[in-house]
Amino acid sequence: SQKIEQNSEALNIQEGKTATLTCNYTNYSPAYLQWYRQDPGRGPVFLLLIRENEKEKRKERLKVTFDTTLKQSLFHITASQPADSATYLCALEDGGFKTIFGAGTRLFVKA
Amino acid sequence: DADVTQTPRNRITKTGKRIMLECSQTKGHDRMYWYRQDPGLGLRLIYYSFDVKDINKGEISDGYSVSRQAQAKFSLSLESAIPNQTALYFCATRASGGNIQYFGAGTRLSVL
Repeated sequence: SQKIEQNSEALNIQEGKTATLTCNYTNYSPAYLQWYRQDPGRGPVFLLLIRENEKEKRKERLKVTFDTTLKQSLFHITASQPADSATYLCALEDGGFKTIFGAGTRLFVKA
Repeated sequence: DADVTQTPRNRITKTGKRIMLECSQTKGHDRMYWYRQDPGLGLRLIYYSFDVKDINKGEISDGYSVSRQAQAKFSLSLESAIPNQTALYFCATRASGGNIQYFGAGTRLSVL
């Protein structure tokens, strides 16, 4: 079955640095991959979508890469701020209009 | 007002009780989903519906049932709650032909 792996350990970085989160998947070739942000006690919120024919996608301080050969996506936050502290979820579609989510990586940005 | 509204936000119940979690949306989306979230396990799909007459089981449907009363409403029921159903429950919507899911704020359920 389709499996998504994200680093379960929290990522701690200093304000102003670039945060890089990793998403690896197996047993599928998704047409696109998504990243969501989730704050404590809240539902996930969509951030970015990258398609299989796109190598990189940017939105303000966010950048996502998608390597279909490695079956990996990297999510970068440049010039990170304490307000970026949250859990970030990777997600892909299983081909049946169902979205599969990774367990998420918790990011802490220290001032 | 939130586009996807879940009620209640918090619920404590006892083993064996029947409870219902409700979800309503104003986004006009056909597709609605129920997930549960447990620490370290991420979001797991319980049930999903592509329209009022279309209900489908997700990966963890045992012990749950749903009702799609209207395009805008999708309810999740626990027929006889058990402690391992203690979790955070999310409703989500998605437009037909769209990729993005829009989530409610969640219901925190505790079964004692």
